[in-house]
Amino acid sequence: SALTQPRSVSGSLGQSVTISCTGTSSDVGNHDYVSWYQQHPGKAPKLIIYDVNKRPSGVPDRFSGSKSGNTASLTISGLQAEDEADFYCCSYILDYDFVFGSGTKVTVL
Amino acid sequence: QSQLRESGPGLVKPSETLSLTCSVSGDSISSSRYYWGWLRQAPGEGLDWIGTVYYTGNTYYNPSVRRRVAVSIDTPRNQFSLQLTSVTAADTAVYYCARHVPNVGGWYRGPNYFDSWGQGILVTVSS
Repeated sequence: SALTQPRSVSGSLGQSVTISCTGTSSDVGNHDYVSWYQQHPGKAPKLIIYDVNKRPSGVPDRFSGSKSGNTASLTISGLQAEDEADFYCCSYILDYDFVFGSGTKVTVL
Repeated sequence: QSQLRESGPGLVKPSETLSLTCSVSGDSISSSRYYWGWLRQAPGEGLDWIGTVYYTGNTYYNPSVRRRVAVSIDTPRNQFSLQLTSVTAADTAVYYCARHVPNVGGWYRGPNYFDSWGQGILVTVSS
């Protein structure tokens, strides 16, 4: 089943928000193969974090990832208007399977 | 960075087969550097991984669709394809193809994260 994410989070411009992604000891808690994607309305998802806390080239450093036990987290520091989007986590499961989170809508107030 | 583009029918009848193709530019699909995957997103819903193929022809599928899905690779055309049989309204979704980057180092050497995506194609299942 899908990894658990909050349905929505919000914050004011310049503030920080954190999105949680809760799985089990078979997926998120078993390794560091967790990635995060940002999706603006009507657009394809974009990779923003991989391997729990690594940022691809070109992704602003206000996006950071971490993990504790069965829960991974994405933090957006210094929230910008363009950060308003849907965010999805994804984890590898054993035996070449992948599961996504339920998705979180970030609203910039 | 790879450029990917999905193509295929936007309307499929129930019980028929959905067939999509992903054309890749900027990368050779026959390279061992990457895997190539299909994902989908039903209207208003989250993302689901469907399946992934390697240049060797090895495939990996989501257990929920494994009995109905086939992903194949066409190295001369630098394309890979998705076939989903016996479709129902529940298969209505935007379908994405993506580059699936392998993990390097560690105990796991298979596909890991998706770093380049196509724009997506809406496929509606309806009579």
